[in-house]
Amino acid sequence: QPVLTQPPSESGAPGQRVTMSCSGRSANIGSNIVYWYQQVPGTAPKLLIYNNNQRPSGVPDRFSGSKSGTSASLAVSGLRSEDEADYYCAAWDDSRSGPVFGGGTKLTVL
Amino acid sequence: QVQLQQSGPGLVKPSQILSLTCAISGDSVSSDTAWHWIRQSPSRGLEWLGRTFYKSNFYTDYAVSVRSRITINVDSSGNQFSLHLNSMTPEDTAVYYCARGAAVPGFDSWGQGVLVTVSS
Repeated sequence: QPVLTQPPSESGAPGQRVTMSCSGRSANIGSNIVYWYQQVPGTAPKLLIYNNNQRPSGVPDRFSGSKSGTSASLAVSGLRSEDEADYYCAAWDDSRSGPVFGGGTKLTVL
Repeated sequence: QVQLQQSGPGLVKPSQILSLTCAISGDSVSSDTAWHWIRQSPSRGLEWLGRTFYKSNFYTDYAVSVRSRITINVDSSGNQFSLHLNSMTPEDTAVYYCARGAAVPGFDSWGQGVLVTVSS
């Protein structure tokens, strides 16, 4: 029962730009930092975005994050076949005194 | 570069206790960060279970959902930490991960994951 709401799937052709959404509420996204993870099936999640829009070293600048109010989004530009994965958003939730995750969006590169 | 190596059983009987260990290399369990346990299942998604961190002493912090059943221990000499989850039920079947992260939920390094099945 994920707390943050993500669309189950998104798709795009190679080279295109895709945006994935993450919806929460004031107790989580509305008042805390958003993180994004990329997970290739069968492997552990990988930190993709921290502090709403910062990329760890080694993450291509094709990935960008943003936040507005109680929603956040992850954009992937110049889609490549290796971007095909599941993407999860996460944030601290003040009402639960712990972090919460989205259910994930499966990105398909057509 | 930090590496986290998990070990533990893949099968646990209902009502028994799950014990998993996460061995740390490239960092110290007492460094200025936190060490976490997270699980993932098709029904519950990603779920944070708890963390341990060092601030003159080791402290723990647990998710409300498992607080009555969970213990996270630290083995400083072995540079590793462990998860103990008792009264296991089939609903606890999941892939269990250990991870590092000073800011929650910013987990920058993960173990390889262990699929734990609860079944008799």
